[in-house]
Amino acid sequence: SQTIHQWPATLVQPVGSPLSLECTVEGTSNPNLYWYRQAAGRGLQLLFYSVGIGQISSEVPQNLSASRPQDRQFILSSKKLLLSDSGFYLCAWSTGSYSNQPQHFGDGTRLSIL
Amino acid sequence: KQEVTQIPAALSVPEGENLVLNCSFTDSAIYNLQWFRQDPGKGLTSLLLIQSSQREQTSGRLNASLDKSSGRSTLYIAASQPGDSATYLCAVSDRGSTLGRLYFGRGTQLTVWP
Repeated sequence: SQTIHQWPATLVQPVGSPLSLECTVEGTSNPNLYWYRQAAGRGLQLLFYSVGIGQISSEVPQNLSASRPQDRQFILSSKKLLLSDSGFYLCAWSTGSYSNQPQHFGDGTRLSIL
Repeated sequence: KQEVTQIPAALSVPEGENLVLNCSFTDSAIYNLQWFRQDPGKGLTSLLLIQSSQREQTSGRLNASLDKSSGRSTLYIAASQPGDSATYLCAVSDRGSTLGRLYFGRGTQLTVWP
């Protein structure tokens, strides 16, 4: 069966520090991968998605970047965190045709910026 | 741009009641609609996925309907239990965007008390 792992579960970082969140998927190959952010009082916002190694698309301009160094690994990064980067970050995957397959989510990373 | 609205924002009911959660979306050009459950501080669990050509899907005590032409979906929960307490999110996969990205509502926070 397929599983998705995100770490760390929680993170407290000072403003201006770098960030690296990791997501890995097991039990499937060539998944579509997604990073979402859920900010307090707001809905889920798609940040990045990837259809293959090295292929990253950004949905919104921001202080963050994403990379996919391996087929089932998706990394969210920042060189200098802002207060507005606080939130709950969720990684998700889907397979095959995105038109008829559900997206499956990890347990998320709670990021607090001080 | 697709917009998804969920009503009510919060709902508190006694155990045993049958519930209806509502979701509406502005653009009927969708691939599918998904209902998710989110427990506090956790990721999203996919409950039901309805293809655009379908009218409803059922899983146990859950039944979701889709009226694509009117841009509406309902999630029916039969014989509610305290364990159903969570936030319920609906999301539509938009045909007009790359990778059929999901647009989320802000959720309905459900509390079922004994």
